Amino acid sequence: KAGVTQTPRYLIKTRGQQVTLSCSPISGHRSVSWYQQTPGQGLQFLFEYFSETQRNKGNFPGRFSGRQFSNSRSEMNVSTLELGDSALYLCASRMGLQETQYFGPGTRLLVL
Amino acid sequence: QQQVKQSPQSLIVQKGGISIINCAYENTAFDYFPWYQQFPGKGPALLIAIRPDVSEKKEGRFTISFNKSAKQFSLHIMDSQPGDSATYFCAASIKTSGSRLTFGEGTQLTVNP
Repeated sequence: KAGVTQTPRYLIKTRGQQVTLSCSPISGHRSVSWYQQTPGQGLQFLFEYFSETQRNKGNFPGRFSGRQFSNSRSEMNVSTLELGDSALYLCASRMGLQETQYFGPGTRLLVL
Repeated sequence: QQQVKQSPQSLIVQKGGISIINCAYENTAFDYFPWYQQFPGKGPALLIAIRPDVSEKKEGRFTISFNKSAKQFSLHIMDSQPGDSATYFCAASIKTSGSRLTFGEGTQLTVNP
């Protein structure tokens, strides 16, 4: 079974731009979570989607948004990029809400 | 109350030695405690996990020890190998309610040959 895939793997943007990241969960998994990983803050939860509904949201500004499609694929959008948004963005999927989360390889975003 | 504290931040061990990483939590509602291993350029991978109704779980060279009264849990890596060199994260969640994972700060482990 294929793992969680994330595209693109690397991205360079400039301040003020917006970016969209994509995540394809493991087949059959209905939940997708997004995390931001930085050296200073570690792994921080952004949000989780289950069956196209956002069920949980972390403490991030409204510039960070996401959505999930009927095939469970998810996208994350960051508008008006700031230098501090440079990070590794990780997507994790799980079959049900009480199941183990499996992480993708991440998208490394650099904001210049 | 949602935080998970992890120590040490970095750890250097000789090949064959024991690596020990510790975590502490505050929220007594947490009922699931996984450890993740992350190699450079990769996402975290589940290593081993424990529920609070057991005090120890062993899988190969990896053991989780859990102390419910102290609200602490630790990862022991026996016979540490250079291939174990990675960043390790402890985490906690309320699995029964399907809550999100709260991660510790991470420990960078280096095993010298």
